[in-house]
Amino acid sequence: EIVLTQSPATLSLSPGERATLSCRASQSVSRYLVWYQQKPGQAPRLLIYDASNRATGVPARFSGSGSGTDFTLTISSLEPEDFAVYYCQQRLNWPPLTFGGGTKVEIK
Amino acid sequence: EVQLVESGGDLVQPGGSLRLSCASSGFMFSSYLMNWVRQAPGKGLEWVSGSSGNGANTYYADSVKGRFTVSRDNSKNTLYLQMSSLRAEDSAVYYCAKVIAADSLDMVFDIWGQGTVVTVSS
Repeated sequence: EIVLTQSPATLSLSPGERATLSCRASQSVSRYLVWYQQKPGQAPRLLIYDASNRATGVPARFSGSGSGTDFTLTISSLEPEDFAVYYCQQRLNWPPLTFGGGTKVEIK
Repeated sequence: EVQLVESGGDLVQPGGSLRLSCASSGFMFSSYLMNWVRQAPGKGLEWVSGSSGNGANTYYADSVKGRFTVSRDNSKNTLYLQMSSLRAEDSAVYYCAKVIAADSLDMVFDIWGQGTVVTVSS
């Protein structure tokens, strides 16, 4: 089973700041890494797939990078609606499909 | 509009059974691998199970293997999760999720339902 470790657990930032979220895999997942955003009481929303491809309708301020075991989700300038929990997920080796534990981006 | 609507969540006693449903609309259901993902209160996401488009291939997390059964009725555009021998740790919001591409095993979930709540408690 591939374990995904996200850091930090919580990121406290102000609107307009840059957010950098990390996801590290226990073994290489090539570029088969996905990012989701989840707001309280809502289902997750697809943001980025295959490390760097933005999903339909996702603003350009969201970008993904990385390959192998180290991946980054960057939000270039935080908007009020971006404060949420972000999860990474690998799709290279399943079952089981695995998710990271999440990073909460909160308002400072 | 592509839509997934889960139902069937309830309060059930430990050892009990429950069947969840996920009704779909707006896409060719039979062409898509469909999945169940759960989220325990205050916790992260956990993939539970998946079913290929024709239902011939099913996939499970070890935590539910032998207790949960995924199935689908393509004539009704509906995915099911039959849960038995339920435990307290199965308590969660259960989401169904559609993969991004038809006739594909690419596990990227582009559409999610709103979830249905399962509580296992005496």
